[in-house]
Amino acid sequence: DGGITQSPKYLFRKEGQNVTLSCEQNLNHDAMYWYRQDPGQGLRLIYYSQIVNDFQKGDIAEGYSVSREKKESFPLTVTSAQKNPTAFYLCASSTLTGGSYNEQFFGPGTRLTVL
Amino acid sequence: GQQLNQSPQSMFIQEGEDVSMNCTSSSIFNTWLWYKQDPGEGPVLLIALYKAGELTSNGRLTAQFGITRKDSFLNISASIPSDVGIYFCAGRNQAGTALIFGKGTTLSVSS
Repeated sequence: DGGITQSPKYLFRKEGQNVTLSCEQNLNHDAMYWYRQDPGQGLRLIYYSQIVNDFQKGDIAEGYSVSREKKESFPLTVTSAQKNPTAFYLCASSTLTGGSYNEQFFGPGTRLTVL
Repeated sequence: GQQLNQSPQSMFIQEGEDVSMNCTSSSIFNTWLWYKQDPGEGPVLLIALYKAGELTSNGRLTAQFGITRKDSFLNISASIPSDVGIYFCAGRNQAGTALIFGKGTTLSVSS
């Protein structure tokens, strides 16, 4: 089955620790994205990537880092510099047409709780 | 960045009622998308619209790409309890390449 997988579904970490969230897709999509969702806030873009070894900051990149070593994988690291990391994190992917991003498909999400 | 105005923010309806929600933007869009998110899950694409005036249905759901290209509407007919969730609009304007998301409409259905 083609799709996007995120792991783990639930993640607990102590304050001050870095944590990495996994995102894998087998849709052969060029573009991948990370969003953060808080209650009543909608989806806020953290980072996105059009191609391997390249990525751009979204609206709320501070305290986060990403890598894109493979087309299929786009892991997100939540660093200790992120002041309020507890949230629901969503990964998405899409094809590209002429440099424009097409409809995005989302993974099931990871709920991160920092204690 | 640019935001979409999505309304209403929340709706509380009875099973069997019809529902309508909309999104507006300050600039012209060339793509409108509607997603549904169940609690604790990722959003799922419901309908994609690519032309002004386009009207597309997916079961009991119908969405329209506004003639002005600055708005879109989603209607749900004869609501059922499993329609509960958050509905997001998203769009791409002529200048940008990335999608822009609305803040969502939370739908509650009582039986």
